[in-house]
Amino acid sequence: KNEVEQSPQNLTAQEGEFITINCSYSVGISALHWLQQHPGGGIVSLFMLSSGKKKHGRLIATINIQEKHSSLHITASHPRDSAVYICAVMNYGGSQGNLIFGKGTKLSVKP
Amino acid sequence: DTEVTQTPKHLVMGMTNKKSLKCEQHMGHRAMYWYKQKAKKPPELMFVYSYEKLSINESVPSRFSPECPNSSLLNLHLHALQPEDSALYLCASSSREGWTEAFFGQGTRLTVV
Repeated sequence: KNEVEQSPQNLTAQEGEFITINCSYSVGISALHWLQQHPGGGIVSLFMLSSGKKKHGRLIATINIQEKHSSLHITASHPRDSAVYICAVMNYGGSQGNLIFGKGTKLSVKP
Repeated sequence: DTEVTQTPKHLVMGMTNKKSLKCEQHMGHRAMYWYKQKAKKPPELMFVYSYEKLSINESVPSRFSPECPNSSLLNLHLHALQPEDSALYLCASSSREGWTEAFFGQGTRLTVV
């Protein structure tokens, strides 16, 4: 079993829909990252969380440390949100380099 | 400036060539990282530099040679690569090694022919 599991693996939505991507992890963590990667491109860090909730524009990320679960929400989705969204956790006491990545969720938003 | 800049964006090289990938940041970050990403896979850590010293080498073959000449610059020297080394090479930085936000570059798409 992977230490970081994301669901769904693939997601197709219509423009304007509310989207949720889930991430569950099985290790003790000091922080969790949500990352965005466009096709063939580099990675953009969206959020780093250790507790609670963060909001940036139409993006909201939440984390429940007790349940070892995080969600990324996109409100009023737009075709430009189409990308792979990656959850990555930092092992408690580990170094930044030891990010444990999920396999990513490929999101396609149709106009 | 919150950017990590990687050059070149694309590189095609033969198996006998020597080339270098470059990564630069001017955020004052003291930890820099090289990752390798194959298609449809998550990134895999290769090297970590902390305060210009190599702190992690994830058993990477010697045909990949990292170098950190100063706190803003990270190089990856390539020599005698194999076609299976073709991948997206990502650089990242953080203010220090550990619990801080990481910034990633756009990557260098490497093709070995």
